[in-house]
Amino acid sequence: AQKITQTQPGMFVQEKEAVTLDCTYDTSDPSYGLFWYKQPSSGEMIFLIYQGSYDQQNATEGRYSLNFQKARKSANLVISASQLGDSAMYFCAMRANFGNEKLTFGTGTRLTIIP
Amino acid sequence: DTGVSQDPRHKITKRGQNVTFRCDPISEHNRLYWYRQTLGQGPEFLTYFQNEAQLEKSRLLSDRFSAERPKGSFSTLEIQRTEQGDSAMYLCASSHRGDTDTQYFGPGTRLTVL
Repeated sequence: AQKITQTQPGMFVQEKEAVTLDCTYDTSDPSYGLFWYKQPSSGEMIFLIYQGSYDQQNATEGRYSLNFQKARKSANLVISASQLGDSAMYFCAMRANFGNEKLTFGTGTRLTIIP
Repeated sequence: DTGVSQDPRHKITKRGQNVTFRCDPISEHNRLYWYRQTLGQGPEFLTYFQNEAQLEKSRLLSDRFSAERPKGSFSTLEIQRTEQGDSAMYLCASSHRGDTDTQYFGPGTRLTVL
């Protein structure tokens, strides 16, 4: 079984500051993928970034980077230079790479950017 | 390049009625997924298709729920004899089998059962 834990229900960050959203995971699968999604108030889940369990380097996509620490089973999302449009719910998710195609999500973190 | 679309976006129904939702995936994607999201929670997996074959169903998918993807393109999710506990956001996602198999989501259908 897979489990995702997001311990920060809500965060408030000043505009232009960097923010780290925490995510820890638990799995017995040897190969897996980790994902971050953003969900604005409109409800649509927007894919942000992916990290494979065997990737040697941390993933980056524009202002998003994923701080992957495999031994600690953590996959924190870092948003640099936060913008007002970053205010949303953020979900960490994982998927085993073989035989089990579903995404398992955490409970999310509500990020609010303060002008 | 159009994304995943879902119809309707909102549905209000009375308890006991049947409802059907439609999902149109990204055109070249052969995998399609349904999730349910209740208030304050992350999405929970319901079922997924590879082409027209339904390959996995969650225990959350009771006998009142049925999903189809008859020609391997769009999919429908039907809920029979709706209950108030069925009120939720129903999300559809699609992916293409590849390196990351990233799932891209539609805007969701918000169901309210009165």
